[in-house]
Amino acid sequence: GNSVTQMEGPVTLSEEAFLTINCTYTATGYPSLFWYVQYPGEGLQLLLKATKADDKGSNKGFEATYRKETTSFHLEKGSVQVSDSAVYFCALSPTGNQFYFGTGTSLTVIP
Amino acid sequence: KAGVTQTPRYLIKTRGQQVTLSCSPISGHRSVSWYQQTPGQGLQFLFEYFSETQRNKGNFPGRFSGRQFSNSRSEMNVSTLELGDSALYLCASSLSGGSLYEQYFGPGTRLTVT
Repeated sequence: GNSVTQMEGPVTLSEEAFLTINCTYTATGYPSLFWYVQYPGEGLQLLLKATKADDKGSNKGFEATYRKETTSFHLEKGSVQVSDSAVYFCALSPTGNQFYFGTGTSLTVIP
Repeated sequence: KAGVTQTPRYLIKTRGQQVTLSCSPISGHRSVSWYQQTPGQGLQFLFEYFSETQRNKGNFPGRFSGRQFSNSRSEMNVSTLELGDSALYLCASSLSGGSLYEQYFGPGTRLTVT
């Protein structure tokens, strides 16, 4: 079946620290992979995506590389800001019309 | 361009009642998907509609149903509510579905069942 496993939170970092949120997946075929971010009181927003193996998605300083050999799509950012505090969701879509999400990782960045 | 809107934003219902949630997609978007978000289970896919037809369905009981109108607006109905149905229900729209098209999420409807 299809599933996503995310690193348990919450994660608390100091401003300018390095961020890694682990995400591994199980899927049939060759899914597309996504990271979404949810700010308090808002819906989810697409942060970045990768549609095939070895693709690197990037946006707003965040990066994630589609690793088929390790079935992973870890999210990284070199220097986090207070404004990055949010909940981050890893997701996959095998067909394009149905998405499977991880349980989310809450990030708090303190000044 | 207006984003995805969901109404109402908050609902309190009693066990056994039914509820209807509404979602208006971004203008021009024809695909609407619904998700249930809970602290324990995260986001779970309910169903997806495209051009008034249900195209995909998740693993939820038949108490959960939906429909889409000709203007792409969508409604979700839950009958015989249970305590476990308390959740944030999110709607997402995209141009035509498919992972190449970004899904835009609404703010959600917070349903509390007492």
